[in-house]
Amino acid sequence: DAMVIQNPRYQVTQFGKPVTLSCSQTLNHNVMYWYQQKSSQAPKLLFHYYDKDFNNEADTPDNFQSRRPNTSFCFLDIRSPGLGDAAMYLCATSRLLQGYEQYFGPGTRLTVT
Amino acid sequence: AQKVTQAQTEISVVEKEDVTLDCVYETRDTTYYLFWYKQPPSGELVFLIRRNSFDEQNEISGRYSWNFQKSTSSFNFTITASQVVDSAVYFCALSEADKAAGNKLTFGGGTRVLVKP
Repeated sequence: DAMVIQNPRYQVTQFGKPVTLSCSQTLNHNVMYWYQQKSSQAPKLLFHYYDKDFNNEADTPDNFQSRRPNTSFCFLDIRSPGLGDAAMYLCATSRLLQGYEQYFGPGTRLTVT
Repeated sequence: AQKVTQAQTEISVVEKEDVTLDCVYETRDTTYYLFWYKQPPSGELVFLIRRNSFDEQNEISGRYSWNFQKSTSSFNFTITASQVVDSAVYFCALSEADKAAGNKLTFGGGTRVLVKP
C-alpha cells in the first residue's frame, strides 16, 4: 500500500543534542510537510517542501531545519533540542498545493531529557 | 486571517448513540477547502473528507455524514450509531485556494470523542 512512513516512532534525545527525524513516502506526492503537535493541541505547521522549494512558516524557530534530498524522503533536524521541543512530529504529503488533502504518517514522539 | 472553531472539546456517548461534532470557520476567501481528520490514540491523522467551498452538497459515507452550510460557515460531522472504535480526536481544518499559502491547513482545536461500551 502507498503510504507515509516515519522513523523512528519514538525518539529520546538529550537536551542540546542534535536529532534527526525521517519521513518517506511512496505516494509520489509533490508536497511534503512537517508538523509539531503538543499534547491536547492541534498540529502546527513548521514548514513544507513543494518539490525542492522550501517554505518556512514565519514563527518556526531557527532551531528547526529540514532537508528533502529527493521526492521520497524528507528530514527534520532539530539542532539543539530544548525541553519545550518535546512533542509529536507529524509528516504529511499532498499531491499538489491547492486544496488537496494531506496524508499523514504515524508520527515520531520526541522526548527530551 | 482564517480561523476554525470547534466549540466542543470533549463529547462522551454510549455506544450506538449518534454524535454530532460542530465546526465553524472564518475566511475572507471565496474559494476554500474544508477537511475532517480523525486522530485515534495511535496518533496518526486519518483523512476523512474534503469539501470545496462551491459544493454545498451534503455527503454520507457509511455511518459518517457531513453537513456543509455556507450561510452559517459551518461544516458539521455526524457519526451515526457510534462504536467504541470511533473514540478519537476529530479535527476540522480549512485551507485557502491561494497557491502562495502552500495548502496550509488551519486546524480547529479538536473534539475528543469517547464512546463507552
